[in-house]
Amino acid sequence: AQSVTQPDIHITVSEGASLELRCNYSYGATPYLFWYVQSPGQGLQLLLKYFSGDTLVQGIKGFEAEFKRSQSSFNLRKPSVHWSDAAEYFCASAGGTSYGKLTFGQGTILTVHP
Amino acid sequence: GAGVSQSPSNKVTEKGKDVELRCDPISGHTALYWYRQSLGQGLEFLIYFQGNSAPDKSGLPSDRFSAERTGGSVSTLTIQRTQQEDSAVYLCASNTRGGQVETQYFGPGTRLLVL
Repeated sequence: AQSVTQPDIHITVSEGASLELRCNYSYGATPYLFWYVQSPGQGLQLLLKYFSGDTLVQGIKGFEAEFKRSQSSFNLRKPSVHWSDAAEYFCASAGGTSYGKLTFGQGTILTVHP
Repeated sequence: GAGVSQSPSNKVTEKGKDVELRCDPISGHTALYWYRQSLGQGLEFLIYFQGNSAPDKSGLPSDRFSAERTGGSVSTLTIQRTQQEDSAVYLCASNTRGGQVETQYFGPGTRLLVL
């Protein structure tokens, strides 16, 4: 069975600082990997996704993520955080079915200090 | 165009009552998913519909939960004899064909509180 682990429940950064959110997956084959963001009271919005090819993927809002097979990781990064990035971030994987049922990590809450 | 919509936004009910949650997917999307987001369990898959195929119900936590999709569009998730542990945010998502790499577009969710 697939699993996704986000080791950090809560991260606090200062505005303008760099950000890295960790994600590790467990799956026999190469999974399809996603990062979603959820602002309070909102649904999930896709930031980026990886399924093959270049291991560094670019997303919306200046985010990027790097797939590292050797570490079973798909960490999300942003060089300079804005106050509006404060939200909860979810890493997710799909695979093993034909239709992309998502398995989510527990989420990381990001707080941004001015 | 319009995104995925869900109603009601919030629902408070008493233990033992039945509730119905509605999802309107994006027009033209044939695949529809339900997920549950709760404090204890995080985000969990519940059920998947694709066209006229039999739904994948593998994520439904008990037989008190059921869902249907009428006319290949609107879906209703029904919880019978609600329990306090059913309190959660129920999220609906849709996409065009249900393929693994297709983006799932999520609605804002229905927040259910069982007293």
